Amino acid sequence: AQSVAQPEDQVNVAEGNPLTVKCTYSVSGNPYLFWYVQYPNRGLQFLLKYITGDNLVKGSYGFEAEFNKSQTSFHLKKPSALVSDSALYFCAVREGGTYKYIFGTGTRLKVLA
Amino acid sequence: EAQVTQNPRYLITVTGKKLTVTCSQNMNHEYMSWYRQDPGLGLRQIYYSMNVEVTDKGDVPEGYKVSRKEKRNFPLILESPSPNQTSLYFCASSLFESRGPMEQYFGPGTRLTVT
Repeated sequence: AQSVAQPEDQVNVAEGNPLTVKCTYSVSGNPYLFWYVQYPNRGLQFLLKYITGDNLVKGSYGFEAEFNKSQTSFHLKKPSALVSDSALYFCAVREGGTYKYIFGTGTRLKVLA
Repeated sequence: EAQVTQNPRYLITVTGKKLTVTCSQNMNHEYMSWYRQDPGLGLRQIYYSMNVEVTDKGDVPEGYKVSRKEKRNFPLILESPSPNQTSLYFCASSLFESRGPMEQYFGPGTRLTVT
């Protein structure tokens, strides 16, 4: 069965510092991995995805994520955090050959000025 | 503007009173889905649809029904709502590519309270 874990409920980082939001997954087959961001009282917005190929994926707003097959991880990163990056971040996985998505429980990112 | 719309945005109802939450997308997407978001549980998929007249259960389908009679619409039906269905509901849609559905576009959400 598919599963996704976001081990941190909250991540605090100072503005200008690099940030990492962690995600690990478990699927039987090939994973398609996604990151979404949710601002207060809004729907989720797509940030980036991994399908195949290059393990480093670049997305919107300067975010990137690194796919690590051996560690079954897909951590979200940004070199320099902005206060406006403060939001709730969700990792999601869909196993190849299926049409069901599994989301993590979310990580609240707080960027401190 | 490409978008997913949901109505109503807020709904307070009583136990057992049937309700429908509508979802519509204008992007000609084949794949549509419903999720509920609960604190500490993240998003959980209720039902999804790969195309017109093709639907399947997600992880938490109990107490919900869906139908997909038109490509653009995917209503969520609660025939006899109960308090444990109080939640924030999201509809989403996606293109169905060669590898299947990919990134989803989400609606603004419907906050449902069942008393």
